[in-house]
Amino acid sequence: DTAVSQTPKYLVTQMGNDKSIKCEQNLGHDTMYWYKQDSKKFLKIMFSYNNKELIINETVPNRFSPKSPDKAHLNLHINSLELGDSAVYFCASSQDNTREKLFFGSGTQLSVL
Amino acid sequence: AQSVTQLGSHVSVSEGALVLLRCNYSSSVPPYLFWYVQYPNQGLQLLLKYTTGATLVKGINGFEAEFKKSETSFHLTKPSAHMSDAAEYFCAVSPGGTASKLTFGTGTRLQVTL
Repeated sequence: DTAVSQTPKYLVTQMGNDKSIKCEQNLGHDTMYWYKQDSKKFLKIMFSYNNKELIINETVPNRFSPKSPDKAHLNLHINSLELGDSAVYFCASSQDNTREKLFFGSGTQLSVL
Repeated sequence: AQSVTQLGSHVSVSEGALVLLRCNYSSSVPPYLFWYVQYPNQGLQLLLKYTTGATLVKGINGFEAEFKKSETSFHLTKPSAHMSDAAEYFCAVSPGGTASKLTFGTGTRLQVTL
């Protein structure tokens, strides 16, 4: 069983559309994250949720809205997609927000045309 | 505030040769340091970490790294490269080890040639 799974793996869409990426972890972890990896491989945290509560919200446009229906899921919804949103988005989890070991999903490559 | 600098975005070694990937950090508090590896089309996996105590830490797949406070470095080494080591390697720093405050470097792509 995949520990952290995210779907879809690839997402190609037009500018202006709204899209969602789903993430689920079966590790029983309390904390989940969304990271964005740009074309230069730079990895930057976007959001962090601990037990369904938002604990980190970096300087991300409000077109990005995370939703955590339960602590095993953290979905990312993006409104009005822009060219600059093209990147690989990684979901990750950790046992809790004091633990340093992250478990990553395999990424969603988003291409905005 | 903390930051990580990885020297060399691409490193190429021959199979069987020494692997050395460089990482320097900046941190205002005692750092926790990590190396993550990303294989093609996969998420990052923790390779090894330094928290406190012994400055030479061993990780998976024969990798090790040494924390040198005086040099603010945490270089990753492996005595003998294998083809399967080809991947992207990320150094990261966190104040006090909190995952939510991890700062990643820009990565070093390791190429292993025959």
